[in-house]
Amino acid sequence: GQQLNQSPQSMFIQEGEDVSMNCTSSSIFNTWLWYKQDPGEGPVLLIALYKAGELTSNGRLTAQFGITRKDSFLNISASIPSDVGIYFCAGQLDAGGTSYGKLTFGQGTILTVHP
Amino acid sequence: DAGVTQSPTHLIKTRGQHVTLRCSPISGHKSVSWYQQVLGQGPQFIFQYYEKEERGRGNFPDRFSARQFPNYSSELNVNALLLGDSALYLCASSPRGGTEAFFGQGTRLTVV
Repeated sequence: GQQLNQSPQSMFIQEGEDVSMNCTSSSIFNTWLWYKQDPGEGPVLLIALYKAGELTSNGRLTAQFGITRKDSFLNISASIPSDVGIYFCAGQLDAGGTSYGKLTFGQGTILTVHP
Repeated sequence: DAGVTQSPTHLIKTRGQHVTLRCSPISGHKSVSWYQQVLGQGPQFIFQYYEKEERGRGNFPDRFSARQFPNYSSELNVNALLLGDSALYLCASSPRGGTEAFFGQGTRLTVV
């Protein structure tokens, strides 16, 4: 089945630094999503990408949908302590229709920000 | 607006028992999906329902079943619980025509 390889597995950074993480797949996806999850909570949607090559920002977050449709990148600029958490990429294969919400997730990147 | 709500938030069951988890989607969302998240891993897809019909099933045994009601809420049922079923169970809802999935806070199931 489809698998997503997310890297790095963990990051320890100083407040104010920029962060980059990426996700690669053995298969093509039509949609890429990035989520953040705090302990004991459900994932919260950060950014959604729908077109190959698309670059989308949400505040200090920027994500890109790879040209090959097999990868995606998330960057966080000027990190702050509340950025701490686990970041997940997720890919969706089906292009609309009725297969909403059927996502394949990466293993997650654990981000720690030191003040 | 209320987000996706799940109940209960925590649950402890004994091996062999049955459990029912409940989910109310965001108002106007007709699709509900269920995911299992084991500690240290990403969520794994279990089921997807749209307009009360099963539209997708992940690689889970037949002990897992689900249904969606006319008001688009959903239940996930697990029979003959095993220790390995201990996990965070997440429900997500999606709008018609959209592909984003919005998650609830999850139900933490512990099987002892």
